[in-house]
Amino acid sequence: GAGVSQSPRYKVAKRGQDVALRCDPISGHVSLFWYQQALGQGPEFLTYFQNEAQLDKSGLPSDRFFAERPEGSVSTLKIQRTQQEDSAVYLCASSLDGYTTGELFFGEGSRLTVL
Amino acid sequence: KNQVEQSPQSLIILEGKNCTLQCNYTVSPFSNLRWYKQDTGRGPVSLTIMTFSENTKSNGRYTATLDADTKQSSLHITASQLSDSASYICVVSGALNDYKLSFGAGTTVTVRA
Repeated sequence: GAGVSQSPRYKVAKRGQDVALRCDPISGHVSLFWYQQALGQGPEFLTYFQNEAQLDKSGLPSDRFFAERPEGSVSTLKIQRTQQEDSAVYLCASSLDGYTTGELFFGEGSRLTVL
Repeated sequence: KNQVEQSPQSLIILEGKNCTLQCNYTVSPFSNLRWYKQDTGRGPVSLTIMTFSENTKSNGRYTATLDADTKQSSLHITASQLSDSASYICVVSGALNDYKLSFGAGTTVTVRA
């Protein structure tokens, strides 16, 4: 596609439910990032993939968060047993190469609301 | 403590006027600094990217400056338009683990007719 695509755009979950957020990066982009953005704040790093390899997951808030990119393209961020504090916008971004001094392209985000 | 601080938190300007946004950072060693524009409900869009050797970079009516010695950057918007209403986010990349970008909280700019 022309840009980074994320789905769903909006998700409402009851506390305790599992959710899965999808990211389709720009075709051919090596690097993929997930960020969490709370209301009125800048994005916070969650995890980084280079192709299918998850090189850094240090930003994931707890072991309820899991991300994968099995074929080096589409990525899924899964949140198990959602809590109210998980409510945020989850942004995905991709970059052409493995060196992130280049342009970073963001999707429009998936807004998660946990009731 | 956030390594990227932006000011002001928000500002309102009249259409056609100029404004300047500030960004101070403590990320060290430093690799590059980016300014992004984020419209409400959308993902951030890159405006400029500067490495430590660059002092200024322009993108249309947007001009970014960088002083790597004082660890300060500014984004100047010239002849503002209503479409400039957005959040402007300063993003800094360290030379170590340069993929781990540090984001400021953003400055919300509102342009009024």
